[in-house]
Amino acid sequence: QKEVEQDPGPLSVPEGAIVSLNCTYSNSAFQYFMWYRQYSRKGPELLMYTYSSGNKEDGRFTAQVDKSSKYISLFIRDSQPSDSATYLCAMSSSGGYNKLIFGAGTRLAVHP
Amino acid sequence: DAMVIQNPRYQVTQFGKPVTLSCSQTLNHNVMYWYQQKSSQAPKLLFHYYDKDFNNEADTPDNFQSRRPNTSFCFLDIRSPGLGDAAMYLCATSSGTGKTINSPLHFGNGTRLTVT
Repeated sequence: QKEVEQDPGPLSVPEGAIVSLNCTYSNSAFQYFMWYRQYSRKGPELLMYTYSSGNKEDGRFTAQVDKSSKYISLFIRDSQPSDSATYLCAMSSSGGYNKLIFGAGTRLAVHP
Repeated sequence: DAMVIQNPRYQVTQFGKPVTLSCSQTLNHNVMYWYQQKSSQAPKLLFHYYDKDFNNEADTPDNFQSRRPNTSFCFLDIRSPGLGDAAMYLCATSSGTGKTINSPLHFGNGTRLTVT
């Protein structure tokens, strides 16, 4: 069993839709949770970072962590074609950004 | 404006022919990483440098080596590439103090390696 599981998609939505992206994990020691966005032929870029449980909002993006269910989510409101990318979740147990474990990514396509 | 620069963007090599990928950074970060990312898979950490200290992942094949001659540059050497080594290779940087990495990883745009 992989430590971090992520549905590969692709997920196709119309412009303006609310998108929900999710990851599950098995290691209860994970405390630091991140979402990276990776455009085609580019490196990943950090979108959101949360520590422990709870929600964090940044513009159209909301990250949610449910440690009791070992489940994290990224919501994108009012999705735009420019949001079309692969979204990778990443997590760490050992503090800060040490030893990140990535999910395989969910490919999102937002069509006009 | 690119802060982590990887060269070349695309590299084709022959089976068994050594190849070197390069990474440079303008962020003055003390931690540099090499990740391997195969199609539709999670990036896999190969090794990282914390300052001059080299940290190899236990499952990184001996075929992969790295050099960091100074803070700004890091190289990935693949001594005898096999077909299974075809992948995107990502360099990333971060800053750390006291063994804690306390800034987000900044990734380069990767080098896509093809082995023929």
